Amino acid sequence: EADIYQTPRYLVIGTGKKITLECSQTMGHDKMYWYQQDPGMELHLIHYSYGVNSTEKGDLSSESTVSRIRTEHFPLTLESARPSHTSQYLCASSDGGGDSSGKGEQFFGPGTRLTVL
Amino acid sequence: KNQVEQSPQSLIILEGKNCTLQCNYTVSPFSNLRWYKQDTGRGPVSLTIMTFSENTKSNGRYTATLDADTKQSSLHITASQLSDSASYICVVSDRGSTLGRLYFGRGTQLTVWP
Repeated sequence: EADIYQTPRYLVIGTGKKITLECSQTMGHDKMYWYQQDPGMELHLIHYSYGVNSTEKGDLSSESTVSRIRTEHFPLTLESARPSHTSQYLCASSDGGGDSSGKGEQFFGPGTRLTVL
Repeated sequence: KNQVEQSPQSLIILEGKNCTLQCNYTVSPFSNLRWYKQDTGRGPVSLTIMTFSENTKSNGRYTATLDADTKQSSLHITASQLSDSASYICVVSDRGSTLGRLYFGRGTQLTVWP
């Protein structure tokens, strides 16, 4: 079954720790995205990728980094977590661009709720 | 500046009642508009998608409308159920980027009471 997965679902960690949030999709999509969402607020794009070995920063400045070594895998890493990184992180993937035909729907994973103490 | 504004911010209704959520946008050039449902602690799930030429789209008890001239959309929920309790997010895509850039509203938090 085609889907998009994120692990862990919840993570509580101390300041200064290095963490990696995993995201995998089985739909064969080229484009993948990372969003950050605080309660009651809109999603903010922090990273995206057009395909393997392609990564770009999004609209919201983030101290995290990403990599895209395989099509299906798009992990996000924080080298030194801080309380300001506490948020929900959502991964998404799509198979096309935002053209007028309506292609390019983004499918979202269940998210990782990160708390940094 | 491309923006998406939603109202109301939150809404409480009784089970079985209807409700309408609003979305105004300034995104240009416009490509399409989607309504997503996001359950607490989960990722958003698409309900409807409308392009410039479409002014209504239904998905079961959900009916979305689009007025591209006034840049307004609404999501009407009929005969609400407890499982409809969620955040409903209006998302607009612009036509000017190959990325498929999405602009998100903050959502309307709907609570359905028994």
